[in-house]
Amino acid sequence: DVKVTQSSRYLVKRTGEKVFLECVQDMDHENMFWYRQDPGLGLRLIYFSYDVKMKEKGDIPEGYSVSREKKERFSLILESASTNQTSMYLCASSFSFSSGAKNIQYFGAGTRLSVL
Amino acid sequence: AQTVTQSQPEMSVQEAETVTLSCTYDTSESDYYLFWYKQPPSRQMILVIRQEAYKQQNATENRFSVNFQKAAKSFSLKISDSQLGDAAMYFCAYRSASGGTSYGKLTFGQGTILTVHP
Repeated sequence: DVKVTQSSRYLVKRTGEKVFLECVQDMDHENMFWYRQDPGLGLRLIYFSYDVKMKEKGDIPEGYSVSREKKERFSLILESASTNQTSMYLCASSFSFSSGAKNIQYFGAGTRLSVL
Repeated sequence: AQTVTQSQPEMSVQEAETVTLSCTYDTSESDYYLFWYKQPPSRQMILVIRQEAYKQQNATENRFSVNFQKAAKSFSLKISDSQLGDAAMYFCAYRSASGGTSYGKLTFGQGTILTVHP
């Protein structure tokens, strides 16, 4: 079974803190994604990565950055956390787009981040 | 840009009954994939069912089936013989089948919370 593991289920941080959310996958997937989930808005893509050290902005990248130094690990960074970044964050991974029907995203359990 | 709309924030069903969740989408593409994902209260999202746009036949997975109407850009999920374990948030999602910079990213709807009454 595919396993996508997010390091924390719940996180409480102060405004202005630097926050790291970590995600690890064990299926040798090329693609990794970070989403933000808010009530009534569904999931919105923050950033994704299609290879080590490669990244692309999603729909709502402002206030976030990412790092992918190893294929299995994808980090989301909040440089200076703000209260409007309080949300549920979901990580996902998939095979490359060229894999066709195998290009299915698998999700982690999510991190509930509260910024006070 | 593609958009996905789920107009039912909440739905409920009696155990053993059938329920249909609605999803519409907007795209100018002809080749794409559509998905229904389930997010139980424990929060790990799992894939329920997938439809390839070029296939006319509606996808089916056990008690889950879809009604894919390409011209109407509609993609509803039918759950038959509902079980308590079906209670969850359900998301409809779209993915382009063309390459470029999409890299297989998903566009999600707002979600529908399904409650199953015993």
